[in-house]
Parts: sequence; C-alpha cells; structure tokens
Amino acid sequence: DSGVTQTPKHLITATGQRVTLRCSPRSGDLSVYWYQQSLDQGLQFLIQYYNGEERAKGNILERFSAQQFPDLHSELNLSSLELGDSALYFCASSVESNTEAFFGQGTRLTVV
Amino acid sequence: AQSVTQLGSHVSVSEGALVLLRCNYSSSVPPYLFWYVQYPNQGLQLLLKYTSAATLVKGINGFEAEFKKSETSFHLTKPSAHMSDAAEYFCAVSEDFGNEKLTFGTGTRLTIIP
Repeated sequence: DSGVTQTPKHLITATGQRVTLRCSPRSGDLSVYWYQQSLDQGLQFLIQYYNGEERAKGNILERFSAQQFPDLHSELNLSSLELGDSALYFCASSVESNTEAFFGQGTRLTVV
Repeated sequence: AQSVTQLGSHVSVSEGALVLLRCNYSSSVPPYLFWYVQYPNQGLQLLLKYTSAATLVKGINGFEAEFKKSETSFHLTKPSAHMSDAAEYFCAVSEDFGNEKLTFGTGTRLTIIP
C-alpha cells in the first residue's frame, strides 16, 4: 500500500459526460501529480499541484482540469468525454518534486 | 527532447533464469533514469534510479541497472527470476530530477515460466 488513495477504482460513463476523479496523497506530501495511462499514448504526465498551486502542466487537454484543496487532496475533472479518454488515471504524491513519487492504484475510466 | 525506447513489449523467462529488460534513452543533457514496476491492479513503484552518482545502480527486489553512456542504455537485470517478478516494467527519463518531467517508455511485460 503506497498510502495514496484514489476513488473510485472504476468508472463507466457515456460520451459527452463529465466525471471527477479524487486523490488523497500520502500524509505529509505536498505535491500531487496526475498521469494518464492508455493503450495509444502509454503513460503520460498530465498536471502537477504543489501545496494548492498548479506547478507544472503536461499533455493535459483543455477539457480536463484539476485542483488541489487546502487539505491537499486533489481532484481531476474530465468533461465532454470522448471514447478516446478511456484510460487508467493515476495520481501520485511526493514531498517535493525531486523526491520519490508514490502512486495510487488508479481509476479505470471507461467511456461508452 | 527526451525519450526512451524499451525493446520488447513482452519478455518471458524461466524461474531462476537471468532477467534482462532493455531500455535505451535519448536526451540532450545528462539524464536522470528510472525503472518502475507495475504489478497487476497496482500503481507504479520505483525500483531504482540513476542520478549520476554511480553507473551501476542497485534497486529493490534484487534488481540492478547499469548506465552506459556510450550505448545510451540503462538495461534492467536480475540474476535469478522469481515468480513474484511477473509484472510490467517501465523505464523513464528526465532531464531534470523532477517527477513532473518524467517521460516513460511503453513498458515491458515480464512473464515468469515455472
């Protein structure tokens, strides 16, 4: 158990819908990262938050957004969903950017 | 731009045999290199990392990797495979030691034959 909790574990939704994925980082970790793992694109970095502020952006679509709350949990919002958004979405956390990141078990999103 | 190439999307070895998973990188600056393991229905776990301190890096679970600049390689090895090593392995590169800058390879699924 990495200490990073992601909910829900599985999500099935229809095209055009909006979903929210939730991540609780390890206790004491200020940095949260979101990654997408798909068959087409492999494992890609989406976005990072540090202590409530956006710190870095990767290959995140404009239809996607994230935030980190004062209690340091984070949410990834995916809207106007398309079939191609079906993927495993991982959250990871670390104390700082240059320390080991610990990954959650992921949320498997299926868009039908 | 940085990238990694993992040769072989699937590798099968017999229990007790040598494990060799290949990773070649491309980077415009001296890279940081990582190997992660993903067990079924789990997130990624860091096996080992190269940060220029030593070319031979030892990680968890008996794995090690050697950084070879001349070959731009960072292959992962384990002398004797265990059934519990069955998983997917990802090589990753970063031009800066930050988790947000990791570029992952496409992964190699390791199967252990009893």
